[in-house]
Amino acid sequence: EDKVVQSPLSLVVHEGDTVTLNCSYEVTNFRSLLWYKQEKKAPTFLFMLTSSGIEKKSGRLSSILDKKELFSILNITATQTGDSAIYLCAVDGGGSYQLTFGKGTKLSVIP
Amino acid sequence: NAGVMQNPRHLVRRRGQEARLRCSPMKGHSHVYWYRQLPEEGLKFMVYLQKENIIDESGMPKERFSAEFPKEGPSILRIQQVVRGDSAAYFCASSPPGQGNIQYFGAGTRLSVL
Repeated sequence: EDKVVQSPLSLVVHEGDTVTLNCSYEVTNFRSLLWYKQEKKAPTFLFMLTSSGIEKKSGRLSSILDKKELFSILNITATQTGDSAIYLCAVDGGGSYQLTFGKGTKLSVIP
Repeated sequence: NAGVMQNPRHLVRRRGQEARLRCSPMKGHSHVYWYRQLPEEGLKFMVYLQKENIIDESGMPKERFSAEFPKEGPSILRIQQVVRGDSAAYFCASSPPGQGNIQYFGAGTRLSVL
């Protein structure tokens, strides 16, 4: 059975701090890893990482994929209160595109 | 371009009643996925549908749950004879043809069973 583990489960930082969120996985036929941001509504797509795209960056957010060690990290620099959310990691383990999600990391950014 | 639309946002049912959850995918998307999120748990895959076809229902409970995505209209997730354990947030996602691994999510339907 495919498995995704995120750590830490929750994190509290001050505005301006840099945070690193972790995601490790075990899947049968890895196809891609995705990061989502979930506030009190729809999970919003952030990044997709594959064998041919192991590093992504968008503004203050960046992510890398280590296919050898089976993990990914999501970095957020110069955090803002608007970054407060649950960050979800999901893996597409091949087959019918069903995503296997971790439990998420709840990030709280305080002023 | 509207996002994935789910309704209702909140649904309250008594034990034994039926729950119908609706999902309209993004324009141009022909693939729909349903996920369930229990408290303190991650999103769990339930079913993957294309128009008029169930592609993968390996995550669906064998009884009381069914899903459809008709040629016209939204996708429907139907739960018959609901029990308290069905209380959860149900999320729908959609993707365009050929890009199944980037899924765009709706805001979810929160089902409460009394």
